[in-house]
Amino acid sequence: AQSVTQPDIHITVSEGASLELRCNYSYGATPYLFWYVQSPGQGLQLLLKYFSGDTLVQGIKGFEAEFKRSQSSFNLRKPSVHWSDAAEYFCAVGAGYGGSQGNLIFGKGTKLSVKP
Amino acid sequence: EPEVTQTPSHQVTQMGQEVILRCVPISNHLYFYWYRQILGQKVEFLVSFYNNEISEKSEIFDDQFSVERPDGSNFTLKIRSTKLEDSAMYFCASSVSGRGRAQYFGPGTRLLVL
Repeated sequence: AQSVTQPDIHITVSEGASLELRCNYSYGATPYLFWYVQSPGQGLQLLLKYFSGDTLVQGIKGFEAEFKRSQSSFNLRKPSVHWSDAAEYFCAVGAGYGGSQGNLIFGKGTKLSVKP
Repeated sequence: EPEVTQTPSHQVTQMGQEVILRCVPISNHLYFYWYRQILGQKVEFLVSFYNNEISEKSEIFDDQFSVERPDGSNFTLKIRSTKLEDSAMYFCASSVSGRGRAQYFGPGTRLLVL
């Protein structure tokens, strides 16, 4: 069965420091991978997506993610974190095959805190 | 930039009552989804909808739940007889096409069942 693991429940980084949020997936075929961000009381905003091609994908707000098939990983990175990046981050894999409409399977999320 | 909208933002109901959560997907999108997030837990898929019928549903989506696209713009989730455990944030999402396409989420409806 498809699954997504985000091993870090909570990460704290200093403003201006680099960030890497980990995501591992289990999926039998070529995955479609996504990162979403959720600010407190808000909905889910799409940061970036990977479908195929270049394994390093750029997203909004200065985020990027790298797909590594050999490690079944899709880690999210940002070179310099801003205080406004404090939020919860969710990795998701597009499930299904054949005629499936591709529901997303989410990880449990990583809460990012940013200290001044 | 087009957005998915949801109403109401919050709803409080008594156990056993029916609730209808409403969503307006992005206008040129053809695939619609409902997800829920129980407080402190992961976002879970409920149902997907395409061409006026359910495409997939999870085991959570039992007979108490139904979805409908009553007109060309709205997409609704009905819970017939709410239970305490239905308390959650419910998200609507839409995408241009199916598998592999990015889903865009609304802000959610927080449902509290007392």
